[in-house]
Amino acid sequence: DAGVTQSPTHLIKTRGQHVTLRCSPISGHKSVSWYQQVLGQGPQFIFQYYEKEERGRGNFPDRFSARQFPNYSSELNVNALLLGDSALYLCASSSGGYRVAYNEQFFGPGTRLTVL
Amino acid sequence: GQQVMQIPQYQHVQEGEDFTTYCNSSTTLSNIQWYKQRPGGHPVFLIQLVKSGEVKKQKRLTFQFGEAKKNSSLHITATQTTDVGTYFCAGYGGATNKLIFGTGTLLAVQP
Repeated sequence: DAGVTQSPTHLIKTRGQHVTLRCSPISGHKSVSWYQQVLGQGPQFIFQYYEKEERGRGNFPDRFSARQFPNYSSELNVNALLLGDSALYLCASSSGGYRVAYNEQFFGPGTRLTVL
Repeated sequence: GQQVMQIPQYQHVQEGEDFTTYCNSSTTLSNIQWYKQRPGGHPVFLIQLVKSGEVKKQKRLTFQFGEAKKNSSLHITATQTTDVGTYFCAGYGGATNKLIFGTGTLLAVQP
Protein backbone atom coordinates (compact mmCIF):
# COMPACT_ATOMS: atom_id res chain seq x y z
CA ASP A 1 0.00 0.00 0.00
CA ALA A 2 1.17 3.52 -0.79
CA GLY A 3 2.10 5.72 2.11
CA VAL A 4 1.39 9.42 2.50
CA THR A 5 2.50 11.32 -0.58
CA GLN A 6 3.35 15.00 -0.87
CA SER A 7 4.10 17.30 -3.77
CA PRO A 8 6.22 18.98 -4.75
CA THR A 9 9.36 17.58 -3.14
CA HIS A 10 11.24 20.83 -3.29
CA LEU A 11 10.17 24.39 -3.96
CA ILE A 12 11.99 27.69 -4.22
CA LYS A 13 10.02 30.91 -3.91
CA THR A 14 10.79 34.59 -3.31
CA ARG A 15 9.47 36.79 -0.55
CA GLY A 16 5.88 37.92 -1.01
CA GLN A 17 4.92 35.02 -3.25
CA HIS A 18 2.25 32.44 -2.57
CA VAL A 19 2.71 28.66 -2.34
CA THR A 20 0.41 25.63 -2.40
CA LEU A 21 1.53 22.30 -1.01
CA ARG A 22 -0.37 19.08 -1.58
CA CYS A 23 -0.84 15.90 0.39
CA SER A 24 -2.54 12.57 -0.27
CA PRO A 25 -3.21 10.48 2.82
CA ILE A 26 -3.01 6.74 3.16
CA SER A 27 -6.09 5.12 1.66
CA GLY A 28 -8.83 4.95 4.28
CA HIS A 29 -7.36 7.68 6.48
CA LYS A 30 -9.75 10.59 6.96
CA SER A 31 -7.55 12.79 9.14
CA VAL A 32 -4.75 14.95 7.75
CA SER A 33 -2.43 17.16 9.78
CA TRP A 34 0.20 19.65 8.65
CA TYR A 35 3.46 20.42 10.42
CA GLN A 36 6.31 22.85 9.87
CA GLN A 37 9.80 21.63 10.72
CA VAL A 38 12.61 24.14 10.80
CA LEU A 39 16.10 22.66 10.55
CA GLY A 40 17.26 21.32 13.90
CA GLN A 41 13.85 21.58 15.56
CA GLY A 42 10.86 19.34 16.14
CA PRO A 43 7.78 19.51 13.90
CA GLN A 44 5.34 22.29 14.83
CA PHE A 45 1.63 21.65 14.42
CA ILE A 46 -0.12 23.91 11.89
CA PHE A 47 -3.54 22.37 11.13
CA GLN A 48 -5.58 19.22 11.48
CA TYR A 49 -8.50 18.35 9.19
CA TYR A 50 -11.00 15.56 9.56
CA GLU A 51 -13.89 14.91 7.21
CA LYS A 52 -13.15 18.18 5.42
CA GLU A 53 -13.48 20.25 8.59
CA GLU A 54 -10.74 22.02 10.51
CA ARG A 55 -10.37 20.31 13.88
CA GLY A 56 -7.22 21.92 15.20
CA ARG A 57 -5.06 24.96 14.54
CA GLY A 58 -1.58 25.80 15.76
CA ASN A 59 -0.06 29.20 16.49
CA PHE A 60 0.52 30.29 12.92
CA PRO A 61 -0.53 33.58 11.28
CA ASP A 62 -3.54 33.89 9.00
CA ARG A 63 -1.20 33.73 6.01
CA PHE A 64 -1.40 29.98 6.52
CA SER A 65 -4.57 28.24 5.42
CA ALA A 66 -5.55 24.73 4.44
CA ARG A 67 -8.43 22.67 3.19
CA GLN A 68 -9.38 19.05 2.75
CA PHE A 69 -11.14 17.64 -0.27
CA PRO A 70 -13.88 14.96 -0.53
CA ASN A 71 -11.20 12.34 -1.36
CA TYR A 72 -9.43 13.35 1.91
CA SER A 73 -6.42 14.87 0.15
CA SER A 74 -5.36 18.24 1.46
CA GLU A 75 -3.70 21.49 0.46
CA LEU A 76 -1.69 23.89 2.58
CA ASN A 77 -1.52 27.46 1.33
CA VAL A 78 0.89 30.10 2.49
CA ASN A 79 0.51 33.71 1.32
CA ALA A 80 2.98 36.60 1.41
CA LEU A 81 5.95 34.33 2.02
CA LEU A 82 8.63 35.44 4.47
CA LEU A 83 12.21 34.23 4.74
CA GLY A 84 11.25 32.58 8.03
CA ASP A 85 8.77 30.33 6.23
CA SER A 86 11.69 28.32 4.85
CA ALA A 87 11.26 24.86 6.31
CA LEU A 88 10.25 21.26 5.69
CA TYR A 89 6.47 21.00 5.56
CA LEU A 90 5.21 17.64 6.67
CA CYS A 91 1.81 16.12 6.14
CA ALA A 92 0.60 13.27 8.34
CA SER A 93 -2.50 11.12 8.09
CA SER A 94 -4.11 8.93 10.69
CA SER A 95 -6.99 6.50 11.00
CA GLY A 96 -9.66 6.60 13.64
CA GLY A 97 -11.83 9.54 14.59
CA TYR A 98 -11.22 13.26 14.62
CA ARG A 99 -9.59 13.15 18.04
CA VAL A 100 -6.14 12.34 16.77
CA ALA A 101 -4.80 12.34 20.32
CA TYR A 102 -4.46 8.58 20.42
CA ASN A 103 -3.83 7.88 16.76
CA GLU A 104 -0.49 7.02 15.22
CA GLN A 105 0.58 9.70 12.75
CA PHE A 106 1.91 8.47 9.40
CA PHE A 107 4.13 11.15 7.93
CA GLY A 108 4.84 11.86 4.29
CA PRO A 109 8.32 12.67 2.97
CA GLY A 110 7.67 16.40 3.20
CA THR A 111 8.05 19.41 0.93
CA ARG A 112 11.26 21.40 1.35
CA LEU A 113 10.36 25.08 0.90
CA THR A 114 13.08 27.67 0.44
CA VAL A 115 12.15 31.34 0.45
CA LEU A 116 14.74 33.72 -1.02
CA GLY B 1 1.77 27.64 26.13
CA GLN B 2 2.60 23.99 26.55
CA GLN B 3 6.27 23.13 26.05
CA VAL B 4 7.96 19.77 25.69
CA MET B 5 11.71 19.68 26.24
CA GLN B 6 14.13 16.82 25.64
CA ILE B 7 17.58 16.21 26.99
CA PRO B 8 20.19 15.77 25.85
CA GLN B 9 20.04 17.67 22.56
CA TYR B 10 22.80 15.50 21.13
CA GLN B 11 24.49 12.27 22.18
CA HIS B 12 27.43 10.51 20.59
CA VAL B 13 28.00 6.91 21.63
CA GLN B 14 30.18 3.99 20.62
CA GLU B 15 28.31 1.11 19.08
CA GLY B 16 27.24 -1.25 21.86
CA GLU B 17 26.80 1.47 24.48
CA ASP B 18 23.43 2.30 25.96
CA PHE B 19 21.51 5.52 25.27
CA THR B 20 18.72 7.35 27.07
CA THR B 21 16.72 10.44 26.12
CA TYR B 22 14.40 12.23 28.52
CA CYS B 23 11.23 14.12 27.69
CA ASN B 24 9.66 16.69 30.03
CA SER B 25 6.38 18.53 29.56
CA SER B 26 5.32 21.76 31.24
CA THR B 27 1.79 20.36 31.57
CA THR B 28 0.18 16.97 32.19
CA LEU B 29 -0.11 14.91 29.04
CA SER B 30 -2.99 12.71 27.92
CA ASN B 31 -0.50 10.37 26.27
CA ILE B 32 2.99 10.34 24.84
CA GLN B 33 4.14 9.20 21.43
CA TRP B 34 7.72 8.59 20.30
CA TYR B 35 8.98 9.09 16.77
CA LYS B 36 12.32 8.49 15.06
CA GLN B 37 13.54 10.65 12.21
CA ARG B 38 16.54 9.49 10.21
CA PRO B 39 18.79 12.18 8.69
CA GLY B 40 17.01 13.57 5.62
CA GLY B 41 13.89 11.56 6.40
CA HIS B 42 10.53 12.04 8.01
CA PRO B 43 9.30 11.10 11.49
CA VAL B 44 8.30 7.46 11.91
CA PHE B 45 6.06 6.37 14.75
CA LEU B 46 7.66 4.08 17.33
CA ILE B 47 5.20 3.69 20.17
CA GLN B 48 2.47 5.29 22.26
CA LEU B 49 2.11 5.30 26.05
CA VAL B 50 -1.17 6.21 27.71
CA LYS B 51 -1.22 5.04 31.31
CA SER B 52 0.59 6.62 34.24
CA GLY B 53 3.78 4.67 35.00
CA GLU B 54 3.45 2.59 31.84
CA VAL B 55 6.52 0.75 30.54
CA LYS B 56 6.73 -0.79 27.07
CA LYS B 57 9.54 -2.64 25.34
CA GLN B 58 10.37 -3.11 21.69
CA LYS B 59 13.41 -5.36 21.34
CA ARG B 60 16.31 -3.14 22.54
CA LEU B 61 14.09 -0.09 23.15
CA THR B 62 12.36 0.58 26.49
CA PHE B 63 9.82 3.38 26.87
CA GLN B 64 8.51 4.77 30.14
CA PHE B 65 5.71 7.22 30.98
CA GLY B 66 6.06 9.02 34.29
CA GLU B 67 3.68 8.60 37.19
CA ALA B 68 2.58 12.24 36.94
CA LYS B 69 2.25 11.95 33.14
CA LYS B 70 4.57 14.92 32.64
CA ASN B 71 7.70 13.07 31.63
CA SER B 72 8.85 10.11 29.61
CA SER B 73 12.06 8.35 28.64
CA LEU B 74 13.41 6.18 25.85
CA HIS B 75 16.30 3.82 26.60
CA ILE B 76 18.19 1.92 23.92
CA THR B 77 20.33 -1.01 25.02
CA ALA B 78 23.48 -1.86 23.07
CA THR B 79 23.12 0.75 20.34
CA GLN B 80 23.68 -0.15 16.71
CA THR B 81 24.54 2.08 13.75
CA THR B 82 20.96 1.63 12.54
CA ASP B 83 19.78 3.54 15.64
CA VAL B 84 21.23 6.80 14.26
CA GLY B 85 18.67 9.58 13.98
CA THR B 86 16.69 12.11 15.98
CA TYR B 87 14.25 10.83 18.55
CA PHE B 88 11.20 12.97 19.29
CA CYS B 89 8.60 12.61 21.96
CA ALA B 90 5.19 14.14 21.26
CA GLY B 91 2.13 14.53 23.42
CA TYR B 92 -1.29 16.00 23.82
CA GLY B 93 -2.26 18.23 26.68
CA GLY B 94 -5.84 19.21 27.30
CA ALA B 95 -8.73 18.93 24.89
CA THR B 96 -7.05 20.31 21.82
CA ASN B 97 -5.99 18.34 18.78
CA LYS B 98 -2.49 19.80 18.84
CA LEU B 99 0.26 17.20 18.90
CA ILE B 100 3.20 18.99 20.55
CA PHE B 101 6.61 17.66 19.61
CA GLY B 102 9.62 17.80 21.86
CA THR B 103 12.89 19.44 20.92
CA GLY B 104 14.42 16.10 19.94
CA THR B 105 17.61 14.21 20.75
CA LEU B 106 20.06 13.52 17.94
CA LEU B 107 21.83 10.19 18.40
CA ALA B 108 25.12 9.51 16.63
CA VAL B 109 26.58 6.00 16.84
CA GLN B 110 30.22 5.39 16.05
CA PRO B 111 31.03 1.88 14.76
